[in-house]
Amino acid sequence: ETGVTQSPTHLIKTRGQQVTLRCSSQSGHNTVSWYQQALGQGPQFIFQYYREEENGRGNFPPRFSGLQFPNYSSELNVNALELDDSALYLCASSLGRNSYNEQFFGPGTRLTVL
Amino acid sequence: KNEVEQSPQNLTAQEGEFITINCSYSVGISALHWLQQHPGGGIVSLFMLSSGKKKHGRLIATINIQEKHSSLHITASHPRDSAVYICAVSRGGSQGNLIFGKGTKLSVKP
Repeated sequence: ETGVTQSPTHLIKTRGQQVTLRCSSQSGHNTVSWYQQALGQGPQFIFQYYREEENGRGNFPPRFSGLQFPNYSSELNVNALELDDSALYLCASSLGRNSYNEQFFGPGTRLTVL
Repeated sequence: KNEVEQSPQNLTAQEGEFITINCSYSVGISALHWLQQHPGGGIVSLFMLSSGKKKHGRLIATINIQEKHSSLHITASHPRDSAVYICAVSRGGSQGNLIFGKGTKLSVKP
């Protein structure tokens, strides 16, 4: 059984560019949640996908968008990058969307916006 | 005020010491999670609990639902325990996103 994987590990972009981050969920998991973790802070919820549909969104602007594919892998897209988007982006997969399902985290993608 | 507060923010201990990290929350929850984050960034789930106490090796987690408070204890601490420990809560219902505290950075000196 493979764990949650994310790609790329690190990424450097400039302001105004667009970025796509990828997450492969753990085998058998149909739910993926994305979080943004700024330096020295706890992660903040961006959105969650359950069976290819968005199942909740945090306080992030529309330029943060996502997708979930039939194999339950997921993408996070960020348009018009801003300096404050520099952060560690974490995805977590779970067996279901309900709160009692334990979330398993990937290693994260560190995004730097210059 | 954050919905999940942790204390202390930073903690330095000598190897072998008993360590306690505290977490208070202000919202209704279905479960509380203790997570460990190493410098590389990856997060590992240590405990998920909704009542009482859980123990795994040298780690013990307790929760008091009435007081909206949880503690994570590490007995006989070791330098390999050095990490950031994060408390997070899930609100319940059909959306399982977590609300995180800012974390406690623990450094255990040999």
